[in-house]
Amino acid sequence: DAKTTQPPSMDCAEGRAANLPCNHSTISGNEYVYWYRQIHSQGPQYIIHGLKNNETNEMASLIITEDRKSSTLILPHATLRDTAVYYCIVRVAYSGAGSYQLTFGKGTKLSVIP
Amino acid sequence: NAGVTQTPKFQVLKTGQSMTLQCAQDMNHNSMYWYRQDPGMGLRLIYYSASEGTTDKGEVPNGYNVSRLNKREFSLRLESAAPSQTSVYFCASSGGASGRDIYNEQFFGPGTRLTVL
Repeated sequence: DAKTTQPPSMDCAEGRAANLPCNHSTISGNEYVYWYRQIHSQGPQYIIHGLKNNETNEMASLIITEDRKSSTLILPHATLRDTAVYYCIVRVAYSGAGSYQLTFGKGTKLSVIP
Repeated sequence: NAGVTQTPKFQVLKTGQSMTLQCAQDMNHNSMYWYRQDPGMGLRLIYYSASEGTTDKGEVPNGYNVSRLNKREFSLRLESAAPSQTSVYFCASSGGASGRDIYNEQFFGPGTRLTVL
């Protein structure tokens, strides 16, 4: 699976949009971009995933650049409960052993400030 | 639905002791996983079970064994605990199996905090 690079930490004011970047310059054509988050001491929580089109759900939006070498997770109106570590993960999308593994890096620690 | 449940929540062991971590899911998922998370680090996959009756090694399988007891339950066993196995252990499940729905999200349990003295 392609490696990802994320800033170690970010701050965001409560109520403002949080934009979390991720670089995945070696991504292959059959790899999806996933985002998970981990609120302190809890198990990770799925947020969103995409292949090449922008995606939106009730939690967030995912913007993937046209060359797919980077992406941005957007939390449109950050709240204090969004304070967490956010993981950007690239995973193959084919049948086989690799399709089951999520490779977590160190992620970005997002602190939402009142 | 309880989702993914894990027992125990906390455990302290002495070096050389054995124990089994239990995991169960009520979402009728085919695939289940065991991860460990060391302080300040991301999660690393220990073992996974793509479907009932199968298990495979992940990134860090040494020192562990697993059993997929049935579709709902997936246990992790430490035969002879070592201080290096002090960690938080997470179980997860997902719907995908045999290449179908392979991009299904993984659902995680609350974790077991294990300390080996």
